[in-house]
Amino acid sequence: QVQLQESGPGLVKPSETLSLTCTVSGGSISRYHWSWIRQSPGKGLEWIGNIYYSGSTKYNPALKSRVIISVDTSKNQCSLKVNSVSPADTAVYYCSRWFDYYYHMDVWGKGTTVTVSS
Amino acid sequence: QTVVTQEPSFSVSPGGTVTLTCGLSSGSVSSSYYPSWYQQTPGQAPRTLIYNTNTRSSGVPGRFSGSILGNKAALTITGALADDGSDYYCVLYMGGGMVFGGGTKLTVL
Repeated sequence: QVQLQESGPGLVKPSETLSLTCTVSGGSISRYHWSWIRQSPGKGLEWIGNIYYSGSTKYNPALKSRVIISVDTSKNQCSLKVNSVSPADTAVYYCSRWFDYYYHMDVWGKGTTVTVSS
Repeated sequence: QTVVTQEPSFSVSPGGTVTLTCGLSSGSVSSSYYPSWYQQTPGQAPRTLIYNTNTRSSGVPGRFSGSILGNKAALTITGALADDGSDYYCVLYMGGGMVFGGGTKLTVL
């Protein structure tokens, strides 16, 4: 059974780069596609982007210029980088497994909280 | 930019039936948007309920069902339990990406 665990710094300074990792256990990361989703305090969920097992990516147009999603198959990890962060990037960040048949997320990590503040 | 719309809040009595909807600010939702539904309780990660309009995810009770009603996707809870009081989000597949609705806060009382 695939399980996901997000990790990374809980505090990032404005204008710096937010870097998070999603560690996959119970399955090979290279067999599936992966998504990052975030939720600002008291707000709804926002899709950040997907990475496919081919290595190609698709990003939310609103974030595309600042986001990079990648996979490290040797570590069975998926990573998210968001550049030039501002307090508006403060959120709980979730990774999930994504299926391109019927286009949905199924397994979710518990999420990790990131605060952007000086 | 097309927005995915959901009722901000809804209330249902225990044992009652409630239908939450998911629409578009411009146009109609059809099965070609592959609507999916997610449940989230405060402080927890989302849980996948429904995908491909009406397919229940593994382990999801039969009281949850999905459909297309008119020009919207719909999530129906039949025989609501107190534990069903949560936030519910729909997601549509559009333009190669995923767009979340704003969520519906469901109260069971």
